[in-house]
Amino acid sequence: EAGVAQSPRYKIIEKRQSVAFWCNPISGHATLYWYQQILGQGPKLLIQFQNNGVVDDSQLPKDRFSAERLKGVDSTLKIQPAKLEDSAVYLCASSLAGGGQYFGPGTRLLVL
Amino acid sequence: DQQVKQNSPSLSVQEGRISILNCDYTNSMFDYFLWYKKYPAEGPTFLISISSIKDKNEDGRFTVFLNKSAKHLSLHIVPSQPGDSAVYFCAASAPGGGSNYKLTFGKGTLLTVNP
Repeated sequence: EAGVAQSPRYKIIEKRQSVAFWCNPISGHATLYWYQQILGQGPKLLIQFQNNGVVDDSQLPKDRFSAERLKGVDSTLKIQPAKLEDSAVYLCASSLAGGGQYFGPGTRLLVL
Repeated sequence: DQQVKQNSPSLSVQEGRISILNCDYTNSMFDYFLWYKKYPAEGPTFLISISSIKDKNEDGRFTVFLNKSAKHLSLHIVPSQPGDSAVYFCAASAPGGGSNYKLTFGKGTLLTVNP
C-alpha cells in the first residue's frame, strides 16, 4: 500500500513570497490533516478535512494560510505571503474514520 | 500553553537495557494517547496507543502505561536496540468531530541507544 505522498520535499523562498505544498493521502482515507512542525517542537495541527469539508481550522493563520481539498482526495496548503517564522516542516497525514493517522515525509520550508 | 509535555529532550541508553520515555498532560478531556517515532527526514510513524479505559497496552518490545490520576504516561522499550534511536513523540486526543482525532503533540524526546 502506497503511503502519504508530499511534494516538494524542500523549498526555500524569500519572505513575502508565496508557496504551495501538495499532499496525496492514502487511497480511501477520508480524513486529511496538515501539521506544522517548527524545529524543536512537536507537530501542531493546522487544518483537518473530512472528505472535502473542513472539520477544524482553529489553528490555521487564515490571514496568510489557506488550504483546500477539492474532490476529497488531494490537498494543497498555501502560504501567501510567507514570513520568517513560517520556516518549518509541513506534514500531511491521513486516516480512515476513527483510525490512526499516517504521516507523509513532510515538506521542509525555509523562509529567508 | 503546552497541554502535552515531554520534559526530557533526550535520553541515552545502552543496547539491551530498558528505555523509559515519559509524558505528562494537563487536559483531563484527553481520552486517547499515542506514541509516534520519527527518524530524520521522515514523517512520524505510529508506534503504540492506549485508551483512557486501560492502564497498560503491550506490543512486542513496547509497552505503554497510563496513570490517569497523575495525568502521566510512559513508554517502555525492552530490550532497547540501536535501531530504536529516533525522536519519540507523545500525542493525545480528545473526542470531537465524531470519530476524528485531533492530536496534540509533545515536543519529543530524542532516544539514543548505544551499541
